Amino acid sequence: QKEVEQNSGPLSVPEGAIASLNCTYSDRGSQSFFWYRQYSGKSPELIMSIYSNGDKEDGRFTAQLNKASQYVSLLIRDSQPSDSATYLCAVNMNSGYSTLTFGKGTMLLVSP
Amino acid sequence: GAVVSQHPSRVICKSGTSVKIECRSLDFQATTMFWYRQFPKKSLMLMATSNEGSKATYEQGVEKDKFLINHASLTLSTLTVTSAHPEDSSFYICSAINRGSAYEQYFGPGTRLTVT
Repeated sequence: QKEVEQNSGPLSVPEGAIASLNCTYSDRGSQSFFWYRQYSGKSPELIMSIYSNGDKEDGRFTAQLNKASQYVSLLIRDSQPSDSATYLCAVNMNSGYSTLTFGKGTMLLVSP
Repeated sequence: GAVVSQHPSRVICKSGTSVKIECRSLDFQATTMFWYRQFPKKSLMLMATSNEGSKATYEQGVEKDKFLINHASLTLSTLTVTSAHPEDSSFYICSAINRGSAYEQYFGPGTRLTVT
């Protein structure tokens, strides 16, 4: 069974802190990794994609990928209350095929 | 870029009737679209993969005769919930692949279906 695992949370951080969200996946052959943000009652919004080992930065967001450890993370710097949402890790476990396997999501709460 | 729309955003229907939901990619061509369902406080569940010009591929446990999918053009896929029942009430979300963006999936805003 191909799986994507996330801690459900909630992860609580104060405003201005760094939030660290983690995800592990079971299929060593996975090629593409995505982080989505989902506000309550809304659909997921793509915020980061990463395809090779290392870090990828986009504004306050940094995605980190370690294929050897089958681990992908998302760091949010200078967290804001508006970042409070559920963050979904998604993995494309078949190169060239489009289906994503989603984790159950981690709820992030940023307190003012 | 990579905008996906859905219509309607919210629909209430009576038990036994059918409801059609449209999913459109507004600024790109999508040869592949996906339909998901999400119950309150639960994770996304993939229902089916919709490929332009061919039959949809349904996930295990999803009734293809109940959830009819048509992907007649590169920008439009439709999901029809036939003979809806209260247990079909859910948040239905489509997504589309933008092949110009390394297979990133972009989601529509979702359709909240309530069957009374």
